[in-house]
Amino acid sequence: GAVVSQHPSWVICKSGTSVKIECRSLDFQATTMFWYRQFPKQSLMLMATSNEGSKATYEQGVEKDKFLINHASLTLSTLTVTSAHPEDSSFYICSASTGTGLENTEAFFGQGTRLTVV
Amino acid sequence: AQKITQTQPGMFVQEKEAVTLDCTYDTSDPSYGLFWYKQPSSGEMIFLIYQGSYDQQNATEGRYSLNFQKARKSANLVISASQLGDSAMYFCAMRGNRDDKIIFGKGTRLHILP
Repeated sequence: GAVVSQHPSWVICKSGTSVKIECRSLDFQATTMFWYRQFPKQSLMLMATSNEGSKATYEQGVEKDKFLINHASLTLSTLTVTSAHPEDSSFYICSASTGTGLENTEAFFGQGTRLTVV
Repeated sequence: AQKITQTQPGMFVQEKEAVTLDCTYDTSDPSYGLFWYKQPSSGEMIFLIYQGSYDQQNATEGRYSLNFQKARKSANLVISASQLGDSAMYFCAMRGNRDDKIIFGKGTRLHILP
């Protein structure tokens, strides 16, 4: 299957600082990328959907000024958690898809990033 | 709005037995795709199987098969001859053609007993 690389796999940061998480599709061009957040023993909650070259579409309740998403190319999307606080500590995972919902194509997932804010 | 429901928070199954993980969904999209992912304790999401809403036959991938009943809006995952390595969280997911996002159910934690 296609490979999606997410970096870093874990990060610890101080409260008030910003953290950037990268998501790269290594062997395919990702038309659409999704960012999810997962709390322990819970499901994946979709935060936003991004298409290359356009602004991300955020889910209700997700602060777009806090969780900045950039999808500058067909192989790279970044999530920046700005002014991080302990409640932002979570597992963040990206996925990339070669097509849109119209094509009903699957999405491939990165390894995830465990963020701990102290 | 789209919704995925997995009603089994946890299951215990004897090794080598078959297991069925339940998934029901709701959507107003005329065309959609259904997916199953496996998440081991390490956290990565492993794609298992895909079923398109217009596919006439149920999808199969090795030991995995998807029991798709469109009228009932169910897409149960069947794992045949379960193995100890199958122990993990399993998520059912859906992607609609109009509402271009993939949403997940709450998951089922599967424990395979030796």
